[in-house]
Amino acid sequence: AQSVAQPEDQVNVAEGNPLTVKCTYSVSGNPYLFWYVQYPNRGLQFLLKYITGDNLVKGSYGFEAEFNKSQTSFHLKKPSALVSDSALYFCAVRARVSGNTGKLIFGQGTTLQVKP
Amino acid sequence: NAGVTQTPKFQVLKTGQSMTLQCAQDMNHEYMSWYRQDPGMGLRLIHYSVGAGITDQGEVPNGYNVSRSTTEDFPLRLLSAAPSQTSVYFCASSYSAGQPQHFGDGTRLSIL
Repeated sequence: AQSVAQPEDQVNVAEGNPLTVKCTYSVSGNPYLFWYVQYPNRGLQFLLKYITGDNLVKGSYGFEAEFNKSQTSFHLKKPSALVSDSALYFCAVRARVSGNTGKLIFGQGTTLQVKP
Repeated sequence: NAGVTQTPKFQVLKTGQSMTLQCAQDMNHEYMSWYRQDPGMGLRLIHYSVGAGITDQGEVPNGYNVSRSTTEDFPLRLLSAAPSQTSVYFCASSYSAGQPQHFGDGTRLSIL
């Protein structure tokens, strides 16, 4: 069965410092991997995805993520955090299956707090 | 282009009542899904559809029904509401399984 783990409920960083939000996954075969962000009282917004190719994926708002197949991880990173990055972040995985099927499974979410 | 539209935004029900949460998308997406969001549990998949006439169960399908008669619409039905179904419900759509999902702004449902 597919699963996603985000081991930290909350990550606190100072503005201007680098940030990392961790994600590990379990899925049969090669995965599709995604990061989403959620602001209060809103739906989730897509940040970036890994399908294939380069292990370092660049996304919206200066975020990037590194795919590590041996560690089954897909950590979200940003070189310099902004206060406006404070939000709830979700990692998600979908197994590659034939056709257009496959469930998108989310982690529990990590709250990112960036302090001035 | 409205994206994914969910109605209503808020709803209060009594235990045992039934209701339908509406979801519509105007992007001609084949893949649609329903999630519930509860504190500390992330988003859990209730049901999903890979095209008109095709639906399948997710992680937590009990107490919910869906149908997909058109590409645009994917309603979620609560058959007999229970307090455990108090949650925020999100509908999402994507062009295909490998593409990012577009989310609605959610329906906040309270069951007394």
